[in-house]
Amino acid sequence: EAGVAQSPRYKIIEKRQSVAFWCNPISGHATLYWYQQILGQGPKLLIQFQNNGVVDDSQLPKDRFSAERLKGVDSTLKIQPAKLEDSAVYLCASSSLVNTGELFFGEGSRLTVL
Amino acid sequence: AQTVTQSQPEMSVQEAETVTLSCTYDTSENNYYLFWYKQPPSRQMILVIRQEAYKQQNATENRFSVNFQKAAKSFSLKISDSQLGDTAMYFCAFMKLGSYIPTFGRGTSLIVHP
Repeated sequence: EAGVAQSPRYKIIEKRQSVAFWCNPISGHATLYWYQQILGQGPKLLIQFQNNGVVDDSQLPKDRFSAERLKGVDSTLKIQPAKLEDSAVYLCASSSLVNTGELFFGEGSRLTVL
Repeated sequence: AQTVTQSQPEMSVQEAETVTLSCTYDTSENNYYLFWYKQPPSRQMILVIRQEAYKQQNATENRFSVNFQKAAKSFSLKISDSQLGDTAMYFCAFMKLGSYIPTFGRGTSLIVHP
């Protein structure tokens, strides 16, 4: 079974530029999450999708962050314009509701904003 | 809102010895799940062990076991016969039953020395 795929693995941009991250979850997993993990901290939820609908985006900075999952499969997270404090690893995870809460994570996309 | 506290930023242990990582949480919920996730350097996060709050018996998975104290809201992870491959960040997580959104602690960095 293929795992959660994320790209790019690494991205370096200047502040005020834009960046997009892509995630392909495990086949059949209806729920998809984007987490932000700042160095030295635990993952913080940005947004949760159930199929192509948003379940929770209460912690997503909507003035600069956006995410979509148009066909209920893969997802894109965009940051525009980026700030220095957006430097972090962006983790994508997916889950099947039958798995009682276990999340399957990708390797993450490390963003550095200069 | 639920909070998860991991009071040990770093821990170290000699190979083959036993180590215990601490986690406390704050919630008014009665039904929930608790998790320990492992994040090896530059690799994806994976589930180590899961505990359902309604179960009194502590969960075990091979060398990994938990000490779940519901009244004290404590959930520690014991790793027996530590191996070099156990070197990783360990995150404690809480999830309210039915929410499917885990809340993570800040993590404990564990180094296993040969």
